[in-house]
Amino acid sequence: GAGVSQSPSNKVTEKGKDVELRCDPISGHTALYWYRQSLGQGLEFLIYFQGNSAPDKSGLPSDRFSAERTGGSVSTLTIQRTQQEDSAVYLCASSLAGQADTQYFGPGTRLTVL
Amino acid sequence: AQSVTQPDIHITVSEGASLELRCNYSYGATPYLFWYVQSPGQGLQLLLKYFSGDTLVQGIKGFEAEFKRSQSSFNLRKPSVHWSDAAEYFCAVGARGNKLVFGAGTILRVKS
Repeated sequence: GAGVSQSPSNKVTEKGKDVELRCDPISGHTALYWYRQSLGQGLEFLIYFQGNSAPDKSGLPSDRFSAERTGGSVSTLTIQRTQQEDSAVYLCASSLAGQADTQYFGPGTRLTVL
Repeated sequence: AQSVTQPDIHITVSEGASLELRCNYSYGATPYLFWYVQSPGQGLQLLLKYFSGDTLVQGIKGFEAEFKRSQSSFNLRKPSVHWSDAAEYFCAVGARGNKLVFGAGTILRVKS
């Protein structure tokens, strides 16, 4: 079956603009995660959705970052008023459910803020 | 707080030689441990995972890892490296809520 898909694959934006990144998880997976991969910080957890529970937003770096998950499936990560330090690869992952389940990663969206 | 240390940033091995990538973790409870591989421009692919039971786990592409609780380690091994194994390798621990805490990664270069 299809894996996790993300769009766009690349996004170039100007400082101060808002961007939206999309993630389509594997069908049937109830858990969805966003991570950020940057040169200076490595791989960092951003946010986690599990079913209908309130998301774990503990990794979001500032209030300019938000995410939603509609209908328990597709998720959108929004970054408002982008800054150059937001430049990174944003990775989405999904898993069936529960702490022991394997997370399957998408190919990522490379965001460049000029 | 959970943390993962991969002490080697870069490793170079000759094709056909054995490989060991080191990983040490800090976690208060029984850890869930993972090794992922990332090829240039690609997402992360799971190599293997440890949840419980046998401390030697087998993964894809001929990789294995051994969980040693006394040393807080989960080192990745392969008996004979192929040129296609050149990539970046990440060790991770599954923290509360299932979020993964990653190490900084080890870049593997394979000499022909």
